Parts: sequence; structure tokens; C-alpha cells
Amino acid sequence: KAGVTQTPRYLIKTRGQQVTLSCSPISGHRSVSWYQQTPGQGLQFLFEYFSETQRNKGNFPGRFSGRQFSNSRSEMNVSTLELGDSALYLCASSLQGDETQYFGPGTRLLVL
Amino acid sequence: AQSVTQPDIHITVSEGASLELRCNYSYGATPYLFWYVQSPGQGLQLLLKYFSGDTLVQGIKGFEAEFKRSQSSFNLRKPSVHWSDAAEYFCAVGARGSTLGRLYFGRGTQLTVWP
Repeated sequence: KAGVTQTPRYLIKTRGQQVTLSCSPISGHRSVSWYQQTPGQGLQFLFEYFSETQRNKGNFPGRFSGRQFSNSRSEMNVSTLELGDSALYLCASSLQGDETQYFGPGTRLLVL
Repeated sequence: AQSVTQPDIHITVSEGASLELRCNYSYGATPYLFWYVQSPGQGLQLLLKYFSGDTLVQGIKGFEAEFKRSQSSFNLRKPSVHWSDAAEYFCAVGARGSTLGRLYFGRGTQLTVWP
């Protein structure tokens, strides 16, 4: 069974632009969670989606948003990029009723 | 609120030596506990998990961890480290039911292995 995939793997943007990242979960997994990883703050939870509904949200500004499609694929969007948004963005998927999260390889975002 | 502490930022061991990485958590009930490993530029790979039952859990790559409720700890161990184990290790806690899809992570322990 294929693992979690994330596209693109690397992105370079400039301040003020917006970006969309994509995550395809493991087949059969309906929960997708997103995390931001930076050297300064570590791994921080962004949000979680299940069956196209956001069930949980971390403490990030409204510039960070997401959605989930009927096939469980998820996207996250960051608008008006800031230098501090440079990070590794990880998504993880899990089965309903199982808290085990399986992570993708991440998208490395660099904001210049 | 849930929190995870990994007291050791960086650990260096010689190849073949034993390893123990420490993890302490704060949570009001019995949590779900995980150890993940991350190689440079990669995502997180699940090493092992504890949900309930036997407090000594076995994982991949020869790792094991022991849940000690009285100490709120979930330390990761390996009897003999290989050079390929050099990576960053993260302990994580998940809450049963109430924090859907959210794991709380420690700040990680960077493991260096000397040949």
C-alpha cells in the first residue's frame, strides 16, 4: 500500500504570495492532519480534517487554511506569505478509530 | 494541557553501544504514546506506539519503549546502536477522543553515532 504523498516537495515563494500544498493519504485513511516544523518552534499542529470537515485547529492565523476533498485528499493554503512561514509542512493520515498517524515526506517551503 | 518533554537535545553514542532516549509527558489520563524518527529532509517514520496493555512495546529497527505511568515516562531504548540509527527522534502524545487528529510532540533528540 502506498504511503502518504505530498506535492510539491520543494517550493520557493516571495513575501506576499500565496501557496497551496497537497497531501494524498494512505488508501482508506479518512483523517488528514497538517503540521508545521521549524527549528525554532518544532512540530506544531495546524489542523485536522475528516470526511471533508475540519474537526480540530491549532493556534495559527487565518492566513493558514485547508480543505479536504471527497477522496480524502487534502490541501492547505497559506496566503500573504511571511518570511516566518518558511518551514517543512508535514501531513499525516490515520484510520478512523486509530490515533496512529503516518506521515508524508513533507513540503519544504522557503519564503524570500 | 498535554505536553511532552525530551530532556536531551543531543546524544552521542558509539556504534554498538546501548541507547536510551528519555521522554516525559503531561496528560490527565492515559494517553496514546508514540516514537517517531526523522532523517534529514525526510518525514517522520513511526518506530512504535503504546495504546494499552503490556507496558513494554517493541518497534521496528530493534527499538523498544517502556511506559511507566508512575513516572509519566515513555523512554526509547535500543541494546546496540548502528550507524544508520543517526537521526532525530521525536516522542509524541495523543489524547483519547478529545483532541481529534492532534499529536503533541517533544522538541526532539538528535542522535549522533560514532563509528
